[in-house]
Amino acid sequence: AQSVSQHNHHVILSEAASLELGCNYSYGGTVNLFWYVQYPGQHLQLLLKYFSGDPLVKGIKGFEAEFIKSKFSFNLRKPSVQWSDTAEYFCAVGYSGGGADGLTFGKGTHLIIQP
Amino acid sequence: ETGVTQTPRHLVMGMTNKKSLKCEQHLGHNAMYWYKQSAKKPLELMFVYSLEERVENNSVPSRFSPECPNSSHLFLHLHTLQPEDSALYLCASSQEPSTSGANVLTFGAGSRLTVL
Repeated sequence: AQSVSQHNHHVILSEAASLELGCNYSYGGTVNLFWYVQYPGQHLQLLLKYFSGDPLVKGIKGFEAEFIKSKFSFNLRKPSVQWSDTAEYFCAVGYSGGGADGLTFGKGTHLIIQP
Repeated sequence: ETGVTQTPRHLVMGMTNKKSLKCEQHLGHNAMYWYKQSAKKPLELMFVYSLEERVENNSVPSRFSPECPNSSHLFLHLHTLQPEDSALYLCASSQEPSTSGANVLTFGAGSRLTVL
């Protein structure tokens, strides 16, 4: 079965610090990669996605992620975080043609930004 | 509002009750999903309806029963639940069929279920 691993369950940073959240997935052929974010009290929403092309993708609110195929990784980055980035971040993988599995999600990383 | 509406937002039920969760999407999407979100665990895919046909149930206990009467509505019928079933139940929809792997999900706000 496919799996997604997020290395950090809780991250605490100060404002203006740089952020990198790790995500690795199990091999399963062609993949599509996603980061979703859940702000306190709000619904899950898409932050960015990778389907093909440039492995460095940019999303909303200054976030970016890099797909490294050889490492089965899709790490999320932001050069300078803000207090409003406090949220739960989920990495997810969709496997093309691999059946009807929807998306496989990681456990999430709870990010707290201290002012 | 995301275009995916879930009701009720909160539900408390006893182990012998029967209740239903409802999801409605106004996006013209082709696939709908139920996910279970529990603390410190990955989102668990429970059911997928793609083009109105169920394509996966992921070995979910039979006390959870989905229904998809049309492409815009999805229900999750609940009966004789256990306290460990307490969780946030998320509905999502996608334009692409679930088998594409390229399905960008739009989530509802969730139904917080507490089983006493």
